[in-house]
Amino acid sequence: KAGVTQTPRYLIKTRGQQVTLSCSPISGHRSVSWYQQTPGQGLQFLFEYFSETQRNKGNFPGRFSGRQFSNSRSEMNVSTLELGDSALYLCASSDRAGGTEAFFGQGTRLTVV
Amino acid sequence: GQQLNQSPQSMFIQEGEDVSMNCTSSSIFNTWLWYKQDPGEGPVLLIALYKAGELTSNGRLTAQFGITRKDSFLNISASIPSDVGIYFCAGQRGYNNNDMRFGAGTRLTVKP
Repeated sequence: KAGVTQTPRYLIKTRGQQVTLSCSPISGHRSVSWYQQTPGQGLQFLFEYFSETQRNKGNFPGRFSGRQFSNSRSEMNVSTLELGDSALYLCASSDRAGGTEAFFGQGTRLTVV
Repeated sequence: GQQLNQSPQSMFIQEGEDVSMNCTSSSIFNTWLWYKQDPGEGPVLLIALYKAGELTSNGRLTAQFGITRKDSFLNISASIPSDVGIYFCAGQRGYNNNDMRFGAGTRLTVKP
């Protein structure tokens, strides 16, 4: 069984631009969660999608958005990028809602300059 | 964000030694999870705990769900070089990700 695949692995963007990150969950998993990881704040929950519906949302501004497609693949979008958005963005998939016992992808390293 | 107190922040040990790390909180959690993260990779789930007092092993790793439900411990016995990495604890109150809190991580270095 293939693991969680995130693309791209690395991205460099300029302040003010927008970015879209992609996550393909493990086959059969309907829950996809997104997390931001930074040295200062650690791992923080962004949102969870389950069966194409946003099930939960963390405490992030509206510039962070996401969606899930019928094949469970998910995308995350960040608009009007700020320097502070530089982080490792992790996607996790699970066969149950709520994110417990989720499998993480390798992450997308976003650098905003 | 980080609302779990994880200690120690870092450990430098000799190969073969045992390791202990813990997470504490002022809040009660119903689930405790322990992850390991290697450089440039995503976290990998090591052990999940669901009941207060539960003691669960995964090879050389043993984790316990504290009786007060406010803490959890992870022990690694007979450490080997590939144990190097950052270990995270996570506590979850309910069944939602936004109920989940993470520790800051314990960076483990194992000297051969």
